Amino acid sequence: NAGVMQNPRHLVRRRGQEARLRCSPMKGHSHVYWYRQLPEEGLKFMVYLQKENIIDESGMPKERFSAEFPKEGPSILRIQQVVRGDSAAYFCASSLDASSGANVLTFGAGSRLTVL
Amino acid sequence: DQQVKQNSPSLSVQEGRISILNCDYTNSMFDYFLWYKKYPAEGPTFLISISSIKDKNEDGRFTVFLNKSAKHLSLHIVPSQPGDSAVYFCAATFSGGYNKLIFGAGTRLAVHP
Repeated sequence: NAGVMQNPRHLVRRRGQEARLRCSPMKGHSHVYWYRQLPEEGLKFMVYLQKENIIDESGMPKERFSAEFPKEGPSILRIQQVVRGDSAAYFCASSLDASSGANVLTFGAGSRLTVL
Repeated sequence: DQQVKQNSPSLSVQEGRISILNCDYTNSMFDYFLWYKKYPAEGPTFLISISSIKDKNEDGRFTVFLNKSAKHLSLHIVPSQPGDSAVYFCAATFSGGYNKLIFGAGTRLAVHP
């Protein structure tokens, strides 16, 4: 079990382009979370998904950002028309279930997006 | 609205001594508190947690203390080792829902020989 796999690890985009970040959760995990870390800040919750469902997207910017977790394949975080302020590290995490706040999240190594 | 605060951006400790990392929170409804450790170019890894109904949890060299009246928790590492050098994040969450963690900004710990 390779853990939570994220790709690409580094992505460079010019302003106005689209960025797609992928996340494959740990084997057996059906709960996926995306977090964003801006420089010198902590991780900020963006969205929580289960297979084919968005459960909580309260941390997602209202425009340009979307996420999905299809029945087959990885979870995708999509950022359209990127701006410089989108430059950050995006971390994906997964868990076995979400019935208790004590359930530990397993994080991937992150995808670092740089917008020129 | 920063509900979880780590006011010390960095801490330097000598090998073998105790490291104390502090965290304050504002929301008395938090049910669980967790510490994550992060090395450069890696994702955060879970270290230790504590339920709000407890005041102490220990795991080897790591102990977390919770003071609910002060809305304060701390992570003690004894003895500190050079491999402990990393950024430590405090996080909080609620039970009965799902694992939506609220993180502090992190404290960079440097353990020097």
